[in-house]
Amino acid sequence: GAGVSQSPSNKVTEKGKDVELRCDPISGHTALYWYRQRLGQGLEFLIYFQGNSAPDKSGLPSDRFSAERTGESVSTLTIQRTQQEDSAVYLCASSSYRGLSYEQYFGPGTRLTVT
Amino acid sequence: AQTVTQSQPEMSVQEAETVTLSCTYDTSESNYYLFWYKQPPSRQMILVIRQEAYKQQNATENRFSVNFQKAAKSFSLKISDSQLGDTAMYFCAYSLLDSNYQLIWGAGTKLIIKP
Repeated sequence: GAGVSQSPSNKVTEKGKDVELRCDPISGHTALYWYRQRLGQGLEFLIYFQGNSAPDKSGLPSDRFSAERTGESVSTLTIQRTQQEDSAVYLCASSSYRGLSYEQYFGPGTRLTVT
Repeated sequence: AQTVTQSQPEMSVQEAETVTLSCTYDTSESNYYLFWYKQPPSRQMILVIRQEAYKQQNATENRFSVNFQKAAKSFSLKISDSQLGDTAMYFCAYSLLDSNYQLIWGAGTKLIIKP
């Protein structure tokens, strides 16, 4: 595709429910990042995938958060038993190869609201 | 701790004026990249300009230029001949070469260009 896409664009869920967010990176990009952006704040790193290497999960805030990626394609971020503090915009970014290109291309984000 | 500080939560200028957004960061590393990203109301994060820390020459992209002071750990963004379309949140960020290129973000500056 032409750019990074994310779905859904907006998600409203009740506290305690599970949600799944999807990211389609730019074709050929081996690296994929998930970030969380709370209202009025900068981005917080969540997780990083690079090819078939083990993901860097150091930014995940709790064990309720998990993410998967199959090869160099789609990634899903799952939040279990959502809490109100999970309300934020979740941004996905991809880049072509960490050694050659450090520019990250961002998707439009998913706005998650937990009621 | 590695941090990025943007001391101006909000700024507004008249169209065609020049505006400078400030950014300071804290790292003990010597090799890193610095970025300015723009996030309009559409939420799409767009790279404005980037600077490699080993380069002394300040990066320039059309109306956008930076003042990189490595010793002072300062990385300000100057926007010349500002346009209405420049209205957005501006985020300063850096990434370390040995950290999976994770981006460490500032809290952002809201820039409003008035007609």
